[in-house]
Amino acid sequence: SQELEQSPQSLIVQEGKNLTINCTSSKTLYGLYWYKQKYGEGLIFLMMLQKGGEEKSHEKITAKLDEKKQQSSLHITASQPSHAGIYLCGAPFYNQGGKLIFGQGTELSVKP
Amino acid sequence: SAVISQKPSRDICQRGTSLTIQCQVDSQVTMMFWYRQQPGQSLTLIATANQGSEATYESGFVIDKFPISRPNLTFSTLTVSNMSPEDSSIYLCSVDLAGVGGSYEQYFGPGTRLTVT
Repeated sequence: SQELEQSPQSLIVQEGKNLTINCTSSKTLYGLYWYKQKYGEGLIFLMMLQKGGEEKSHEKITAKLDEKKQQSSLHITASQPSHAGIYLCGAPFYNQGGKLIFGQGTELSVKP
Repeated sequence: SAVISQKPSRDICQRGTSLTIQCQVDSQVTMMFWYRQQPGQSLTLIATANQGSEATYESGFVIDKFPISRPNLTFSTLTVSNMSPEDSSIYLCSVDLAGVGGSYEQYFGPGTRLTVT
């Protein structure tokens, strides 16, 4: 079955530092979603990558999908306390959207 | 994007009772999904709900325990029946929206935090 592995599981960084979160699949992905979740709340859609080599940015967050479409990285530049939360990657089972499987999440803490 | 609301936002329920969670979307969507997030875990899909047909359940989830309604293209309900403490989770609904270039973007509601005592 398809699985997504996220690394690291948790991360503590000093405010202003850059950081990277990775999401890896053993199979070629139809696409890759990145979400942010604040504790006990819903998921905030950050971006969706579909094409190999694609890169998107949202404010200080940049995500890239590798050419083989098996790994994605999420990079935060100059982190702020507002970036704290759980980052989840999700991938669709099918080429036309539909149900997602998720990685286990990366918990980010940003120390002021 | 889509604006999705859920009711209730949280509840504390006694074991053996049932709770119905509502999900409302601000636009018409074909596919709606219900996920469960157990404490400290990632999201697991419960079922897919399409308007006009019965929900499709994932392995490990059954209709008797999690009946779903989908009366129209903007609304769905999930009932958690005969609850036990193991049902304590965040329940989230989501929808697929067509994005740019044939892609699909999935948006989530704010979640319903359920605690069963």
